[in-house]
Amino acid sequence: DAGVTQSPTHLIKTRGQQVTLRCSPKSGHDTVSWYQQALGQGPQFIFQYYEEEERQRGNFPDRFSGHQFPNYSSELNVNALLLGDSALYLCASSWTGMNTEAFFGQGTRLTVV
Amino acid sequence: AQSVAQPEDQVNVAEGNPLTVKCTYSVSGNPYLFWYVQYPNRGLQFLLKYITGDNLVKGSYGFEAEFNKSQTSFHLKKPSALVSDSALYFCAVRDKGNFNKFYFGSGTKLNVKP
Repeated sequence: DAGVTQSPTHLIKTRGQQVTLRCSPKSGHDTVSWYQQALGQGPQFIFQYYEEEERQRGNFPDRFSGHQFPNYSSELNVNALLLGDSALYLCASSWTGMNTEAFFGQGTRLTVV
Repeated sequence: AQSVAQPEDQVNVAEGNPLTVKCTYSVSGNPYLFWYVQYPNRGLQFLLKYITGDNLVKGSYGFEAEFNKSQTSFHLKKPSALVSDSALYFCAVRDKGNFNKFYFGSGTKLNVKP
């Protein structure tokens, strides 16, 4: 059983460019959340997708957007990249239940130069 | 608002000694608390959770955590540390409602020396 998989693992982009990160959830999971982990900090919640809709959003600008597909996989898009967007982006999948833990992918390391 | 705090940036312990990584929480109502571990250049790996019931929760790799409501703490413990336990540890609280949104602490780097 494959866990949560993310692609690519590393990415270098220039300021002002756009980027798309991808995530395939663990088998049987229907909810995908995205987190940003800056260097030396804990992960910060970006948003969550369930049934192909954004269900909840953290304190991130509209430059951050996402999508969930019918097979539950998800994309995170970031437009007009800033240097401060450099971080590890983590995808977490879970089943919509009250007491379930989230399973995380290995992350995508985004560097903006 | 839900939040957790990890007061120690780093914990150093000798192999074979017991270890404790501290976490305090601030929530309204009953907390749903979690511990995750992160190895270099990797994602977060689930260790254990407290939802309800026994205050001592046992998890993966010999780790356990003690929930203390009066002190609003959820400290991670292990009776005998291994060098391979060296990693970054995150305490997290789950948001209220039927959404799996987590608030993470700033992390504690555990160094286990041979």
